[in-house]
Amino acid sequence: QKEVEQNSGPLSVPEGAIASLNCTYSDRGSQSFFWYRQYSGKSPELIMFIYSNGDKEDGRFTAQLNKASQYVSLLIRDSQPSDSATYLCAVNGSGGFKTIFGAGTRLFVKA
Amino acid sequence: NAGVTQTPKFQVLKTGQSMTLQCAQDMNHNSMYWYRQDPGMGLRLIYYSASEGTTDKGEVPNGYNVSRLNKREFSLRLESAAPSQTSVYFCASSRTSAETQYFGPGTRLLVL
Repeated sequence: QKEVEQNSGPLSVPEGAIASLNCTYSDRGSQSFFWYRQYSGKSPELIMFIYSNGDKEDGRFTAQLNKASQYVSLLIRDSQPSDSATYLCAVNGSGGFKTIFGAGTRLFVKA
Repeated sequence: NAGVTQTPKFQVLKTGQSMTLQCAQDMNHNSMYWYRQDPGMGLRLIYYSASEGTTDKGEVPNGYNVSRLNKREFSLRLESAAPSQTSVYFCASSRTSAETQYFGPGTRLLVL
C-alpha cells in the first residue's frame, strides 16, 4: 500500500464547475497536510496547507481534512482553464522529518 | 530574494560520468531536500537534510550522495551516472521539516 494515494486522473471538468481532488494516507499519526499545484514543465508550488480536522478556505480553494478516515481533499470552486495542472497531495508523517508526496492528479478545465 | 536556485537547468551525461547538482536557498531555511520526478511516479525523495550538519536517506538514495555545505547550500552528486537516473531533479527547502516546502526550478538530466 502506498503511503499517500491519489487518483491519477485525468479529471476533466467544465469551466465554472467545482473540481474535487482526493487523497488518502496510511500514517495515522500524520500531522501536516499540503496541496501543491504543478504546471507542466514547472516546479510544484503550494496552494494550501491544513493541520486540523475540518475545512479551510482560501479564495476559490477549500481543503478538507478527516483524520479519522485518513482522508484529505481539495475543492476548487468556479474552476478556470488556468487551474489545469497536476495537483500533488503531500503528508508529513508522525516522525515529523519526511513529507511524502502522492503521484498527483491531473486536472483539465474545459473552456 | 531569489528563493531556491538550482544549477544547471539541463545536462546531458554519458553512462559512467559524474556530476554535481547545486542548490542554494536564501530564505534562512533549516531543512533542504532533493527529489526526482519521473512520469507517473510523482516526487520521490532522494536525500534530505533536516538541519545544517545532518543528512539522511530518502526513498531512492542508491547511486547518489549529498553534501550540506552550509545552511544555504545542499548539493547532490552522481558518482557514476546510469540511464535509470534520467529524470527531473528538484531541490526544495522549508523552515522546518514539517512545514511548507519551496521548490527550485528543477534540473533536467539525460543520461545516455
